[in-house]
Amino acid sequence: KAGVTQTPRYLIKTRGQQVTLSCSPISGHRSVSWYQQTPGQGLQFLFEYFSETQRNKGNFPGRFSGRQFSNSRSEMNVSTLELGDSALYLCASSLGGLARQETQYFGPGTRLLVL
Amino acid sequence: GENVEQHPSTLSVQEGDSAVIKCTYSDSASNYFPWYKQELGKGPQLIIDIRSNVGEKKDQRIAVTLNKTAKHFSLHITETQPEDSAVYFCAASPEYNDMRFGAGTRLTVKP
Repeated sequence: KAGVTQTPRYLIKTRGQQVTLSCSPISGHRSVSWYQQTPGQGLQFLFEYFSETQRNKGNFPGRFSGRQFSNSRSEMNVSTLELGDSALYLCASSLGGLARQETQYFGPGTRLLVL
Repeated sequence: GENVEQHPSTLSVQEGDSAVIKCTYSDSASNYFPWYKQELGKGPQLIIDIRSNVGEKKDQRIAVTLNKTAKHFSLHITETQPEDSAVYFCAASPEYNDMRFGAGTRLTVKP
């Protein structure tokens, strides 16, 4: 089975712009979770989608949003970018999601640099 | 919400020695504790996990122990090899759709 894929792998944006990141889960997985990884804050949970519905959301401002499509692919959007949004954004997929505490499979991440 | 603390932040061992990484959690509702290994340029990969109804779990050279009373769990790697060098993260998950990670431990295994 193909693993979790994320596109693009690298992205450079300027402050005030918006960005959309994409995640394709492992075939058959219905849950996609998004995380932000920075040297200072570590790995932080952004949100989880399951069958096109957001199940839970971490402590991030409303500039961070996401959605999931019927084929389980997910996108994450960050509007009005700030310098502090520079990070590695990871998505992870699983069969039943965080509620069932099943193994999460992470993608390689999208590294976002905001100038 | 859950708060996970992980120690040490860096760990250097000689090849063949054992490595131990410790984590504590705050939310007594947490009942699932995975450990991830992250290599440079890659996403985290699950290496072992334990649930709160089990005190210890072993998989070849890797073992995890859980003390629910003290709210801490540990990762033990025996007979370390250079390819074990990576950043290791512990995590704790309560039942309400959440996952909190420790800050990570950078393990270096010297040949």
